[in-house]
Amino acid sequence: DIVMTQSPFSLAVSEGEMVTINCKSSQSLLSSGNQKNYLAWYQQKPGQSPKLLIYYASTRQSGVPDRFIGSGSGTDFTLTISDVQAEDLADYYCLQHYSYPYTFGAGTKLELK
Amino acid sequence: EVQLVESGGGLVQPGRSLKLSCVASGFTFSNYGMNWIRQAPGKGLEWVAYISSGSSYIYYAETVKGRFTISRDNAKNTLYLQMTSLRSEDTALYYCASLARGYWGQGVMVTVSS
Repeated sequence: DIVMTQSPFSLAVSEGEMVTINCKSSQSLLSSGNQKNYLAWYQQKPGQSPKLLIYYASTRQSGVPDRFIGSGSGTDFTLTISDVQAEDLADYYCLQHYSYPYTFGAGTKLELK
Repeated sequence: EVQLVESGGGLVQPGRSLKLSCVASGFTFSNYGMNWIRQAPGKGLEWVAYISSGSSYIYYAETVKGRFTISRDNAKNTLYLQMTSLRSEDTALYYCASLARGYWGQGVMVTVSS
């Protein structure tokens, strides 16, 4: 099984700051067939279902603000949120969908400083 | 508007069974693989099972393999999860989701307790 190691566990930020969340996979998530990384990022606010932010490691889902940026390839991935807004306070998860069983990172809680 | 509506949850004793349903609307359900994902209270997300669009491919997490069965009825736009031999550690909010499309339901709570 692919293990997803996500860090940090929590992050305290002020509005307007930039934050980075990291996810490292135990195996490469890069498909040799189409050169796509099978890594997605989700945001989950309290009491809500997870919302897809980024897929294929760096493609923003429709309607997601451009302050959310996904990057990385192979085994190392990053979600960067520039100019953090109060509405961004949530839990964030990475997900590998390269092979079954799919696996999530443990999550990162973004809180207000 | 895309909707995924789960039902069938509740309080059940350890060792008993429960069947969850998820009715889809607003997209062509029969074209997409579907997943069940769960979240224990205060914990992270755990992928549980996947079924391909035509039910040819099915995969499970090791934690539920042999106890849970995923299935679907494309004529009814409905996804199912039959859960047997339930354990306390199966207590969670269960979501159905089309991960490829980023569609998730609101979840249904399953509590396993005597």
